[in-house]
Amino acid sequence: QVHLVESGGGVVQPGRSLRLSCAASGFTFSSYGIYWVRQAPGKGLEWVAVIWYHGTIKYYSDFVKGRFTISRDNSKNTVYLQMNSLRAEDTAVYHCARGASPSVDLDYWGHGTLVSVSS
Amino acid sequence: NFMLTQPHSVSESPGKTITISCSRSSGIIANHYVHWYRQRPGSAPASVIFENNQRPSGVPDRFSGSIDSSSNSASLTISGLKTEDEADYYCQSYDSSNHYVFGSGTKVTVL
Repeated sequence: QVHLVESGGGVVQPGRSLRLSCAASGFTFSSYGIYWVRQAPGKGLEWVAVIWYHGTIKYYSDFVKGRFTISRDNSKNTVYLQMNSLRAEDTAVYHCARGASPSVDLDYWGHGTLVSVSS
Repeated sequence: NFMLTQPHSVSESPGKTITISCSRSSGIIANHYVHWYRQRPGSAPASVIFENNQRPSGVPDRFSGSIDSSSNSASLTISGLKTEDEADYYCQSYDSSNHYVFGSGTKVTVL
């Protein structure tokens, strides 16, 4: 059974850093891209970043490019999101989700981890 | 980058049919698949339509999807509306600059 479990969220001051993790199980991890999608309180879904297969191909939304870094460790079936220079507007629940290729849907999602950026 | 615009909310009675639109601001809707997700309160999103009109296993055939090239938009139709269909619904697509975009979301209320 496919499982994606996020961790690492919490309360952090503006300008500080946080690293999220997404631990996967139940499927061949290196055969899938892993996305981060966030949802600010009361708002809609927003794509953050994606990392493909063996980690050499990564893409970021314009909102986080240069501040966030996505990486993966296929030996641990885990994807990371290093978030630097955090801003109040980064406050959101961060979900990870898997996709088999760029054009297909995100067929499994984690329940998310809450990041709150506040002084 | 492009935007996907949805109506903010749709309300209808049980047993009726609703259609949620998803209008693409730039780029050709037919060039990249559109997917639809349902998000119930307090839950993670779940796919209800993928690749424009395909249903994942377990999604009833009351759910259907389509695209309309003339209006550069996609639609999700839910027929035989049930109270369990109350949720937020999001469309999603992709463009060749490797950006993934979600629609603005539609809150469905079953009266």
